[in-house]
Amino acid sequence: SQKIEQNSEALNIQEGKTATLTCNYTNYSPAYLQWYRQDPGRGPVFLLLIRENEKEKRKERLKVTFDTTLKQSLFHITASQPADSATYLCALDQMYSGGGADGLTFGKGTHLIIQP
Amino acid sequence: ETGVTQTPRHLVMGMTNKKSLKCEQHLGHNAMYWYKQSAKKPLELMFVYSLEERVENNSVPSRFSPECPNSSHLFLHLHTLQPEDSALYLCASSQAGPDVYNEQFFGPGTRLTVL
Repeated sequence: SQKIEQNSEALNIQEGKTATLTCNYTNYSPAYLQWYRQDPGRGPVFLLLIRENEKEKRKERLKVTFDTTLKQSLFHITASQPADSATYLCALDQMYSGGGADGLTFGKGTHLIIQP
Repeated sequence: ETGVTQTPRHLVMGMTNKKSLKCEQHLGHNAMYWYKQSAKKPLELMFVYSLEERVENNSVPSRFSPECPNSSHLFLHLHTLQPEDSALYLCASSQAGPDVYNEQFFGPGTRLTVL
């Protein structure tokens, strides 16, 4: 069965450092991969999407890499700030034939804590 | 209202009750989704609607019944639930189409407690 693993349940990083989160998957050939941020009591918020034929994507302080050979994505936050503290979710598409509406399969998430 | 809204935000119900969760999207999207998020577990896809037609039911028990009357509204009808159904129920929407890879926009969720 399809499986997504995110490297750790919690990650503590000193403010100003780069936080690196890992997403590994098995039994899967996704067309694209997405990263979301979720704060307590709220729904996930989309951050970045990377397609299978892309190696790297950047948005402000965020960077995502996608290695389909290793079946791994890395999510980086540079110059981290306490406001970046949240749970970060990795998600892969489930390609349905009906109209291209893709349900997503999510990892459990990594709880990132940026300490001042 | 903007984005995706969900009502109620909190719901407590007994196992014999019947209730409904409501979701509305104000983004002009053509696909809507229900997800379940239980403690210590990843989000689980429950239902997918594209162009108001259900395209996937992820083996969800029949005590959960979805309804999508139009592209802006999605309901989840609940009846004879079990305590293990207590969770955060999240609605999402996206613009779907062939070879279109778009992000999903989530609502704030309904926190459901089944007694």
